[in-house]
Amino acid sequence: DTGVSQNPRHKITKRGQNVTFRCDPISEHNRLYWYRQTLGQGPEFLTYFQNEAQLEKSRLLSDRFSAERPKGSFSTLEIQRTEQGDSAMYLCASSLEPISSYEQYFGPGTRLTVT
Amino acid sequence: AQTVTQSQPEMSVQEAETVTLSCTYDTSESDYYLFWYKQPPSRQMILVIRQEAYKQQNATENRFSVNFQKAAKSFSLKISDSQLGDAAMYFCAYRDDKIIFGKGTRLHILP
Repeated sequence: DTGVSQNPRHKITKRGQNVTFRCDPISEHNRLYWYRQTLGQGPEFLTYFQNEAQLEKSRLLSDRFSAERPKGSFSTLEIQRTEQGDSAMYLCASSLEPISSYEQYFGPGTRLTVT
Repeated sequence: AQTVTQSQPEMSVQEAETVTLSCTYDTSESDYYLFWYKQPPSRQMILVIRQEAYKQQNATENRFSVNFQKAAKSFSLKISDSQLGDAAMYFCAYRDDKIIFGKGTRLHILP
């Protein structure tokens, strides 16, 4: 197992287009998290899943954003009608609760640029 | 709501010297976890050290140690014998179900 992976690593899109990112967590990790990180800031929580159930969504997650984890393994984050303010690094993390003592393992991120 | 504050946007330290990064947080909970994460340039976030709030003993991991003051809600990171590979953004973080991060401190190591 090589850790959390995210695809694509970079995405450039025009304003108004839809984009979808994928996250593959560490095998058997039951929790999966999405964060957004803008330049010079710390990551901000967006949403998280326990297996396939989405348990919490941040108010940052407007109705243009949707996340799924259909079989409790990989997850997708879709942004519809992208805006320039959506430009950021989107980070995925996973953990095995309660065994991992709350340590989250992060992926390399997907950098989104909206032009 | 829980908040995490890092008041030092940037710091520099001479190689082989010791540096301390500051962090304060706010919570009404009594049991929680605190973390320091490291994010090297263009590389992914990795955990440096973890502290359980119910433990009075400060956590240590090799050259990294924390000074956890629960009553003061303070959680500083000390890096001893600084190395060039320690250059990175360091984020202090508080955990309930999700992680709440501070804005980070960029650490420069001077050769």
